[in-house]
Amino acid sequence: GQQLNQSPQSMFIQEGEDVSMNCTSSSIFNTWLWYKQDPGEGPVLLIALYKAGELTSNGRLTAQFGITRKDSFLNISASIPSDVGIYFCAGPSAGGTSYGKLTFGQGTILTVHP
Amino acid sequence: DVKVTQSSRYLVKRTGEKVFLECVQDMDHENMFWYRQDPGLGLRLIYFSYDVKMKEKGDIPEGYSVSREKKERFSLILESASTNQTSMYLCASSSLYFRQETQYFGPGTRLLVL
Repeated sequence: GQQLNQSPQSMFIQEGEDVSMNCTSSSIFNTWLWYKQDPGEGPVLLIALYKAGELTSNGRLTAQFGITRKDSFLNISASIPSDVGIYFCAGPSAGGTSYGKLTFGQGTILTVHP
Repeated sequence: DVKVTQSSRYLVKRTGEKVFLECVQDMDHENMFWYRQDPGLGLRLIYFSYDVKMKEKGDIPEGYSVSREKKERFSLILESASTNQTSMYLCASSSLYFRQETQYFGPGTRLLVL
């Protein structure tokens, strides 16, 4: 089946630093999604990307839909302690009836030291 | 404000017990999903439902069943709990007709099977 590979698996950074993470796939996706899971909560959608090459921002977060449609990138500028959590990339699952099924990456755990 | 609620935040059960995890959404969504989350594995889809009484297997359905008798409620059942089902369980919902990729998650149930 489809697999999404995220890297890095974890990051430890100082407050104020910029963060970059990415997600790759062996198959093409027509939509890329980035979700964030705060500690003790369920994931929440941060950014959705719908076109190859698209660059979309949400506050200090910027995500890009790779030209090949097999990758996506998420950048966080000037990190703050509340950026702590797990970041997941996701894309619509292929095959059969979709009904909004998503395939998720393994997640990137972000720790921000004050 | 959209809301997905799960019946318990923490649950401890014994091997062989029958376990019910309940999920309720108040957004009149057609699609509902059950995932399990394990470190390093991301979110893996167990079952999903796109309508009342309709269900389809996800990627890891073995050892689980589901029930959807009402549109707002989706239950996950572990017929005979085993220790390898110790995990975080997340419920989500989405609209079938608008932005299916936006899934709304509950806070999760952390299940420990002894």
